[in-house]
Amino acid sequence: SQQGEEDPQALSIQEGENATMNCSYKTSINNLQWYRQNSGRGLVHLILIRSNEREKHSGRLRVTLDTSKKSSSLLITASRAADTASYFCATEASYNQGGKLIFGQGTELSVKP
Amino acid sequence: DTAVSQTPKYLVTQMGNDKSIKCEQNLGHDTMYWYKQDSKKFLKIMFSYNNKELIINETVPNRFSPKSPDKAHLNLHINSLELGDSAVYFCASRGPDTQYFGPGTRLTVL
Repeated sequence: SQQGEEDPQALSIQEGENATMNCSYKTSINNLQWYRQNSGRGLVHLILIRSNEREKHSGRLRVTLDTSKKSSSLLITASRAADTASYFCATEASYNQGGKLIFGQGTELSVKP
Repeated sequence: DTAVSQTPKYLVTQMGNDKSIKCEQNLGHDTMYWYKQDSKKFLKIMFSYNNKELIINETVPNRFSPKSPDKAHLNLHINSLELGDSAVYFCASRGPDTQYFGPGTRLTVL
């Protein structure tokens, strides 16, 4: 299966704490993206990191990419109850695959007030 | 001003029926996708169209037939529905870097 893997599968933290989610993938990539999915809703794009980048920041989000290990991590700092959602990493392959995304299994984050 | 819209949001039907899900994007993108999210939240691509042409078909059963009347629309028709087709189906369109997802259609086959 091309499906990526994420860990942990579930993460429960208190408001104000940091949350770290990890993602591993299998193929060579153009980029890796993180998406958030609130319960019963569609996916919302959070951040994209290209294969030649190692770290990227966006607000309270920090993403790292290690292409030698085929892994990425998403750090959410100073978490809020509103961050409660499922988080997915998705990779776009470097060979021409029509831009399709291969998703990880997702991490369910619960932030308790 | 919804970017990617899908109808219906919920679809409950009996096994063996034929149903359609519609998707429209107003972003001017050329490429659109259908993804399936199962009960364990695994998301998997099904189809991709670029400017009305099929470019990805991920070994989906031929009971599933996508149709793109124009580049803003990508519909999904499913024949002879089976229990295993129960899932959430997401439409997406591709921008310069990212994909924009619709709100999903929850299909329940009884």
